[in-house]
Amino acid sequence: EAGVVQSPRYKIIEKKQPVAFWCNPISGHNTLYWYLQNLGQGPELLIRYENEEAVDDSQLPKDRFSAERLKGVDSTLKIQPAELGDSAVYLCASSPVAGGFYEQFFGPGTRLTVL
Amino acid sequence: AQSVTQPDIHITVSEGASLELRCNYSYGATPYLFWYVQSPGQGLQLLLKYFSGDTLVQGIKGFEAEFKRSQSSFNLRKPSVHWSDAAEYFCAVTGSSNTGKLIFGQGTTLQVKP
Repeated sequence: EAGVVQSPRYKIIEKKQPVAFWCNPISGHNTLYWYLQNLGQGPELLIRYENEEAVDDSQLPKDRFSAERLKGVDSTLKIQPAELGDSAVYLCASSPVAGGFYEQFFGPGTRLTVL
Repeated sequence: AQSVTQPDIHITVSEGASLELRCNYSYGATPYLFWYVQSPGQGLQLLLKYFSGDTLVQGIKGFEAEFKRSQSSFNLRKPSVHWSDAAEYFCAVTGSSNTGKLIFGQGTTLQVKP
């Protein structure tokens, strides 16, 4: 079974440029999460999708961040414009359904460097 | 407030020695507790989880953890560390009424000396 796929794995951009990250969850997983992991910190939830609906985006900085999950499968997280403080690892995770009882499977992440 | 504290940012042990990584949590309801491991350039892999029942849980790679409600702790242990265990370890908490949002500690980096 393929795991969660993320691309690109690394991205270097200059500040004020846009950037997008892509995630393909495990087949059949209805719930998709985007987490932000700053250096030396644990991941923090940005947004959670149930199928194509964003049901928890309270931690997403909506002035510059946006996300979508078309057709309830792949998801894209976008930053426009990027700031120096956005340098971090962006992790995508998926689970069969939502709920603490269900294991979340994590992708390898996209490491963003903003210069 | 819901939180997870991992008091040790960095731990170094000799190969073959025992290991204990500490985790304390604050959670208003019945907690579900997890330990994840993250190797460089890799995603997080679940080592073990506690939902209810026996407070000593076994995980993969020879790890175990003990839930102590009175101490709000969920410490991770391994009797004999291998060089391949060098990685970053994260403790996390969520709850049965939660919709899956994991609250992570800041992580403990494990270094293994030959």
